[in-house]
Amino acid sequence: DAGITQSPRHKVTETGTPVTLRCHQTENHRYMYWYRQDPGHGLRLIHYSYGVKDTDKGEVSDGYSVSRSKTEDFLLTLESATSSQTSVYFCAIRDRDLGEQYFGPGTRLTVT
Amino acid sequence: AQSVTQLDSHVSVSEGTPVLLRCNYSSSYSPSLFWYVQHPNKGLQLLLKYTSAATLVKGINGFEAEFKKSETSFHLTKPSAHMSDAAEYFCVVSDRGSGGGADGLTFGKGTHLIIQP
Repeated sequence: DAGITQSPRHKVTETGTPVTLRCHQTENHRYMYWYRQDPGHGLRLIHYSYGVKDTDKGEVSDGYSVSRSKTEDFLLTLESATSSQTSVYFCAIRDRDLGEQYFGPGTRLTVT
Repeated sequence: AQSVTQLDSHVSVSEGTPVLLRCNYSSSYSPSLFWYVQHPNKGLQLLLKYTSAATLVKGINGFEAEFKKSETSFHLTKPSAHMSDAAEYFCVVSDRGSGGGADGLTFGKGTHLIIQP
């Protein structure tokens, strides 16, 4: 258990509404990540953070923003949700070991 | 640039027989390679990792993988499948030489392992 929690675990929302997903870690890791998982695509990186207030874009960042105001929390925001953002979202932290990442339990988001 | 190709989207084996899940990678640098497993409606669990030490890597639950640089492969094996091995398996490459804070993790699209009784 890498001490990662995600909230909410499930959410249904309507197109056009803002949504914020939270990732919380208890082990003071510097690097945190948000991925989305879709059938046939594996996991794809949305955004990542390498410290408080330090974030950068990943492969599929359009339509998403992130914030990290303290080490333990990494927030993912969909400014105006679309049906294409229906997915399972995973948060991860990077252990200080070589590139190894540990994942949270996931958030299943449905945009209707 | 880095990429990962999992050669089979589905693999079906009988319980007690060997498992082979194939993965080829492309990387501009000396990569780190991982296998993760995802059971239905669960998160991802690290099975094993290769980080430029021994080329034969042992992981949890009896799984092994061999790094073959000449073939750019990192296939996952297990001598005898168990019903509890039924899951989705992801091969992952980390191109640490690419710079940046993300470590450039790239996932394969996954192999669904089915275990027949």
